[in-house]
Amino acid sequence: DAGVIQSPRHEVTEMGQEVTLRCKPISGHNSLFWYRQTMMRGLELLIYFNNNVPIDDSGMPEDRFSAKMPNASFSTLKIQPSEPRDSAVYFCASSYRGWGSGTEAFFGQGTRLTVV
Amino acid sequence: AQKITQTQPGMFVQEKEAVTLDCTYDTSDQSYGLFWYKQPSSGEMIFLIYQGSYDEQNATEGRYSLNFQKARKSANLVISASQLGDSAMYFCAMREAPSTGANSKLTFGKGITLSVRP
Repeated sequence: DAGVIQSPRHEVTEMGQEVTLRCKPISGHNSLFWYRQTMMRGLELLIYFNNNVPIDDSGMPEDRFSAKMPNASFSTLKIQPSEPRDSAVYFCASSYRGWGSGTEAFFGQGTRLTVV
Repeated sequence: AQKITQTQPGMFVQEKEAVTLDCTYDTSDQSYGLFWYKQPSSGEMIFLIYQGSYDEQNATEGRYSLNFQKARKSANLVISASQLGDSAMYFCAMREAPSTGANSKLTFGKGITLSVRP
């Protein structure tokens, strides 16, 4: 398997523009996570899907952020409008649902977003 | 409330020596899993080791072992025979058993920076 695939790897955009980050999870995985990583706040969970359904979006910072998972093989995280404080590395991760052995999350390479 | 606590700001270890990275967690569940991840300077997140709450033995994976003390709610990572390539950020994470609502999110601590000296 190719692993979790994120695109783009780098994104530079102007404040106010819409940004869409994409993620293809590992085939067969039924949980998908979006995380944001910054020096100040560390690794924050933004939203978590199970079987394509959003289960917990309490980490989404504000209404400018939205996430969708239209099918088991694709998810998007959208920021509209973007602001400089959104600059961060955004990770997508997937795993099997549950808590036992074999449910570790596999991470994509991340998208480094810079909003100027 | 913070679920995962990693308080060591930065750790240094001499090459070939062992090092312990601390992690404490907070949960009222009996069923949960604990994970450690490594993030080198290149940025990728690499899974290292898993420990289940019902596992009677401490998990081991090569040079990595997890010192699991359930009563103290600690899950420290031990790296034996440190190598220069072990220099990285290390994250502890927990996943509680899914409830009826299927909420089994993976929560991370703030991480510990490890530097291995030659």
